[in-house]
Amino acid sequence: DSGVTQTPKHLITATGQRVTLRCSPRSGDLSVYWYQQSLDQGLQFLIQYYNGEERAKGNILERFSAQQFPDLHSELNLSSLELGDSALYFCASSVGGAGNQPQHFGDGTRLSIL
Amino acid sequence: AQKVTQAQTEISVVEKEDVTLDCVYETRDTTYYLFWYKQPPSGELVFLIRRNSFDEQNEISGRYSWNFQKSTSSFNFTITASQVVDSAVYFCALSESTGANSKLTFGKGITLSVRP
Repeated sequence: DSGVTQTPKHLITATGQRVTLRCSPRSGDLSVYWYQQSLDQGLQFLIQYYNGEERAKGNILERFSAQQFPDLHSELNLSSLELGDSALYFCASSVGGAGNQPQHFGDGTRLSIL
Repeated sequence: AQKVTQAQTEISVVEKEDVTLDCVYETRDTTYYLFWYKQPPSGELVFLIRRNSFDEQNEISGRYSWNFQKSTSSFNFTITASQVVDSAVYFCALSESTGANSKLTFGKGITLSVRP
């Protein structure tokens, strides 16, 4: 158990819909990362937050947004969903935001778009 | 830009065989960090090891060992006396230390199947 909690574990929805994925980091971790894992793109970095502030952005679509709340949990919002958004979405956390700190991953949310 | 290449896509071995998973990376940074993660069939990503770019000492942890060679930009992972429970997808990843971005850049992963 990594200590990172992601909910829900599975989401099935239709094209055009909007969903929210939730992540609670390990106790004491200030930094949260979101990654997308798909068969064609592999594991791709989406966005990083550190202590409530956006720290870095990857190839995150404009239809996607995220935030980190004062209690340090984070939410990833995906809107106007398309079939290609079907993927496994991981949240990870680390103590700080530096590159030398291991990121510990949650179990992921599997999103299926019908 | 940073890049991680895992040229092997699938490896199949018989239990108790040794197996080496290759990882080659590219980065312009002089200080960087390398990681290995394991993704078992259940889907979670499990952190295995971190290596600093300035520490080329090899590391051994039980049946696992890692060989870091800066001269060839490689960070290979060897499993000795493999077991069925080692069956998983293994990812090598790179993080740069400069700036505010500490994202992980992952390779495509190597699917390891260990047959009884």
